[in-house]
Amino acid sequence: KNEVEQSPQNLTAQEGEFITINCSYSVGISALHWLQQHPGGGIVSLFMLSSGKKKHGRLIATINIQEKHSSLHITASHPRDSAVYICAVINRGSNYKLTFGKGTLLTVNP
Amino acid sequence: DVKVTQSSRYLVKRTGEKVFLECVQDMDHENMFWYRQDPGLGLRLIYFSYDVKMKEKGDIPEGYSVSREKKERFSLILESASTNQTSMYLCASSLSLGPTNTGELFFGEGSRLTVL
Repeated sequence: KNEVEQSPQNLTAQEGEFITINCSYSVGISALHWLQQHPGGGIVSLFMLSSGKKKHGRLIATINIQEKHSSLHITASHPRDSAVYICAVINRGSNYKLTFGKGTLLTVNP
Repeated sequence: DVKVTQSSRYLVKRTGEKVFLECVQDMDHENMFWYRQDPGLGLRLIYFSYDVKMKEKGDIPEGYSVSREKKERFSLILESASTNQTSMYLCASSLSLGPTNTGELFFGEGSRLTVL
């Protein structure tokens, strides 16, 4: 069993829909990253969070440390949001070791 | 703007060749990482460095070595490239997670290596 599980693996949405991507992990963590990767492109960090909720534009990330679960929400989705979204956790006790989920491929159709 | 620059976006090499992948960051970060990304496997850590001349093996170090002679530069070396090293290689850097640092991670654009 992977230490970091994302769901769904693939997600297709219509423009304007509200989207949720989930991340569950089984290890103790000090923080969690949400990353975005466009086709053929590098990876961009969207959020790093260790508790509660963060918002940036149409993106919202939440984390529940007790339940070992995080969600990434996209409101009013747009075709330019189409990308792979990756959850990564920083293992507790390490300030550099990351464990990655396998990613969620999001396609937003116009 | 913070920047992590990888020397080559695309490389094609032959089996047995020595391959150098260079990564430079301009943010004075202590931590630098080399990952490879393969379909269905996600990102896997090859090596990381937390200071100049310091390095530690990641999850899949076999067939790779690294060099960090200067803080801003972290090189990945394939001593004798093999076809199973065909992959996308991603470099990243960060400050250490701490009371005053967010530990945010910055990635380069990636280097797609094909070994024939």
